[in-house]
Amino acid sequence: DGGITQSPKYLFRKEGQNVTLSCEQNLNHDAMYWYRQDPGQGLRLIYYSQIVNDFQKGDIAEGYSVSREKKESFPLTVTSAQKNPTAFYLCASSTTGYNEKLFFGSGTQLSVL
Amino acid sequence: AQKITQTQPGMFVQEKEAVTLDCTYDTSDPSYGLFWYKQPSSGEMIFLIYQGSYDQQNATEGRYSLNFQKARKSANLVISASQLGDSAMYFCAMRPGGAGGTSYGKLTFGQGTILTVHP
Repeated sequence: DGGITQSPKYLFRKEGQNVTLSCEQNLNHDAMYWYRQDPGQGLRLIYYSQIVNDFQKGDIAEGYSVSREKKESFPLTVTSAQKNPTAFYLCASSTTGYNEKLFFGSGTQLSVL
Repeated sequence: AQKITQTQPGMFVQEKEAVTLDCTYDTSDPSYGLFWYKQPSSGEMIFLIYQGSYDQQNATEGRYSLNFQKARKSANLVISASQLGDSAMYFCAMRPGGAGGTSYGKLTFGQGTILTVHP
């Protein structure tokens, strides 16, 4: 079945450590996105990529980094510069077109030890 | 800048009844798209319905319909014949601009409304 796979489901980060969240899609979508969700809040855009080897900062990019070396993959690294990383992270992808709906993965819950 | 406001932190509805979830938005863009997503306790986001700013008809998808009032900048979600499985968080979201362009996929989300369906 086509879809978006995020791993791991739960991740723990020690202080000063970088951690990487995986996102893979087999929907053949050009665009991919990373969102952060804090408890009781809406989603905020971290980074997005419209095409391989290109990506743009979203609204809260500080302390995060991404790469887009393959169409199917868009990993997110939470660096030690991100002082409040505890959140639920959602990856999404979309096609082009007028209604450009986003398809989401099942998310990764990141917590700080 | 775009802003989405969902003023109902929580809503309750009896099974088989209809419920309306409110959403107002603010944008200076002449064209935009409006989306509703459902987030069950599992965490994934499920697309429900889409309305384009130039669409003449209100969008409908099965039991979901979008009451779009452009002059009031509102895009309320109506769920008919509620089911227990409808209990979830619901998010309204907006994307500025038409197809493609620099706003590509940059959805702005509201704070969400938790819907509880009682048997």
